[in-house]
Amino acid sequence: QLQLQESGPGLVNPSETLSLTCTVSGGSISSSLYYWGWIRQPPGKGLEWIGSVFYSGTTYYNPSLKTRVSISLDTSKSQFSLRLSSVTAADTAVYYCARHSSSGYRDCDYWGHGTLVTVSS
Amino acid sequence: DIQMTQSPSSLSASVGDRVIITCRASQSISRYLNWYQQKPGKAPKLLIYAASSLQSGVPSRFSGSGSGTYFTLTISSLQPEDLASYHCQQSYSTPYTFGQGTKLEIK
Repeated sequence: QLQLQESGPGLVNPSETLSLTCTVSGGSISSSLYYWGWIRQPPGKGLEWIGSVFYSGTTYYNPSLKTRVSISLDTSKSQFSLRLSSVTAADTAVYYCARHSSSGYRDCDYWGHGTLVTVSS
Repeated sequence: DIQMTQSPSSLSASVGDRVIITCRASQSISRYLNWYQQKPGKAPKLLIYAASSLQSGVPSRFSGSGSGTYFTLTISSLQPEDLASYHCQQSYSTPYTFGQGTKLEIK
């Protein structure tokens, strides 16, 4: 059974960089069948797709965050990571990592439990 | 970006009721529409993909329909465990966008 687990600091200072890692177990992160993505949800609000990375390293980002976001893959550790720079209070959210198919209908079929990141001094 | 609009934003229904949630896209997305269920404090869970395909393990009381710009999620007979928020998502083009969510309460 595929499992995804987010990890990283729960508190980040304004203007600094948010860094999270998602560890994948029970399946291969190197498969060409899937993208690995990050999605966030501010408290009491809806879901926002941040971006996704393919096993080759190809990335797709939400234009609203593109100047601040970077997603990378480490196949040797079966992990992928999110970096979001120059954070503000508006970046406070639960951050989820998820898998979605690279073909077909690109639905997110596996999700991590999510991790709350608060931006505050 | 493709805008996704769900309605209603919240609803209250009784056990056994038929519940319908709608999702409209700002432009045609063919059948690239997915539905997720999110229980309080939990991660979203895939219910329906490709507008009408039931994800493995999801009860058959859930169904989806639609294409183009108009989609529906139907719960044929509401159960207590269906207390959750429901989100539609378009995966037709990036940035993949979600509706604002529908919070379903049990009377």
